[in-house]
Amino acid sequence: DTGVSQDPRHKITKRGQNVTFRCDPISEHNRLYWYRQTLGQGPEFLTYFQNEAQLEKSRLLSDRFSAERPKGSFSTLEIQRTEQGDSAMYLCASSFSSGNTIYFGEGSWLTVV
Amino acid sequence: AQSVTQPDIHITVSEGASLELRCNYSYGATPYLFWYVQSPGQGLQLLLKYFSGDTLVQGIKGFEAEFKRSQSSFNLRKPSVHWSDAAEYFCAVGATGNEKLTFGTGTRLTIIP
Repeated sequence: DTGVSQDPRHKITKRGQNVTFRCDPISEHNRLYWYRQTLGQGPEFLTYFQNEAQLEKSRLLSDRFSAERPKGSFSTLEIQRTEQGDSAMYLCASSFSSGNTIYFGEGSWLTVV
Repeated sequence: AQSVTQPDIHITVSEGASLELRCNYSYGATPYLFWYVQSPGQGLQLLLKYFSGDTLVQGIKGFEAEFKRSQSSFNLRKPSVHWSDAAEYFCAVGATGNEKLTFGTGTRLTIIP
């Protein structure tokens, strides 16, 4: 059973560097979501795709953040010029269609030093 | 805008005792409501969801939740907890489906022998 897969699971980077996270959703799921979770908080919505179209972006997604899903399968989340405030867990999730269960991945931890 | 309040940051329960975790939401129309569980350093697992119909919803691992519109609540219950239930529990509300879930800050559950 292949669930939502995220890579890397952990990333430590220096402030100012760029990082990229990859998410592979469950096969045939046409919706893909990105959330961010900081310590002691619940996940916060960042953006979501239906197939390759990015349908909504949160105000949390500053211009240093960009997400893509080029062929409607895997997705990448890139953070440019990282800041210490970007330290968080980045969660990817997918679902088959609206109203169905969202399945979350294990998350990608980012530490900016 | 939708919001979720989980008033209990941390709850300690003896193994075998009953459990109730509180969740209050704010949303103008009929909400979609979810409970997720998260083990340390892991992603989120869906316990149960409410979209419409019967206000008492059964989930996995013996959990249930009751939607009370008059109280804007969606409390999670379990009649007898197990040590493996120790985790962080998140309540979430959705607007038109799963696209943009708003999570509460979570309740950390500790189980004592």
